[in-house]
Amino acid sequence: RKEVEQDPGPFNVPEGATVAFNCTYSNSASQSFFWYRQDCRKEPKLLMSVYSSGNEDGRFTAQLNRASQYISLLIRDSKLSDSATYLCVVNSYNAGNMLTFGGGTRLMVKP
Amino acid sequence: NAGVTQTPKFQVLKTGQSMTLQCAQDMNHNSMYWYRQDPGMGLRLIYYSASEGTTDKGEVPNGYNVSRLNKREFSLRLESAAPSQTSVYFCASSEGLAPTGELFFGEGSRLTVL
Repeated sequence: RKEVEQDPGPFNVPEGATVAFNCTYSNSASQSFFWYRQDCRKEPKLLMSVYSSGNEDGRFTAQLNRASQYISLLIRDSKLSDSATYLCVVNSYNAGNMLTFGGGTRLMVKP
Repeated sequence: NAGVTQTPKFQVLKTGQSMTLQCAQDMNHNSMYWYRQDPGMGLRLIYYSASEGTTDKGEVPNGYNVSRLNKREFSLRLESAAPSQTSVYFCASSEGLAPTGELFFGEGSRLTVL
């Protein structure tokens, strides 16, 4: 089982739609969680950290469910510019407490 | 605002050839990393350097060596390239050792080994 698993998608949604992605992680002792965004053939960039209490940044909301070991990303009012791959990132004690990246979920927002 | 700069951006090698990927950051970060990204696999950590003068293995270090030349520069060397090393390589840096800080990535180096 991969340490961090994501549905690769693609998720095809119309502009203005609300879309949600989940990411599951296997290490119950993981402490730090992030969502990164990666545009096609570009480098990943931090979208937001995920806090235990959940957090919101404009149209983006991140949630952490420790009991079920998953994090989620909700995007409201999708824009064409939201089209990208969203990477779930978790710290992993199996890799010297380094960050472990999921394979990413691809989102395509259509006009 | 260069951030993290990697060279070369593209490279084609034959099996058995050697090469070095260069990385430099201008943000005065302490920690630097090399990742590889393969389709469906996510980014995997090859080596990292928590601070100047130290390097440690990541998840997939076999076939690679690194040098932290100074605080700014962290190079990745393939001594004898293999087709399995065909990938996109990303250098990254952070102020502190991950997972405490945001990772800043270079634009990537696309390597093909024939």
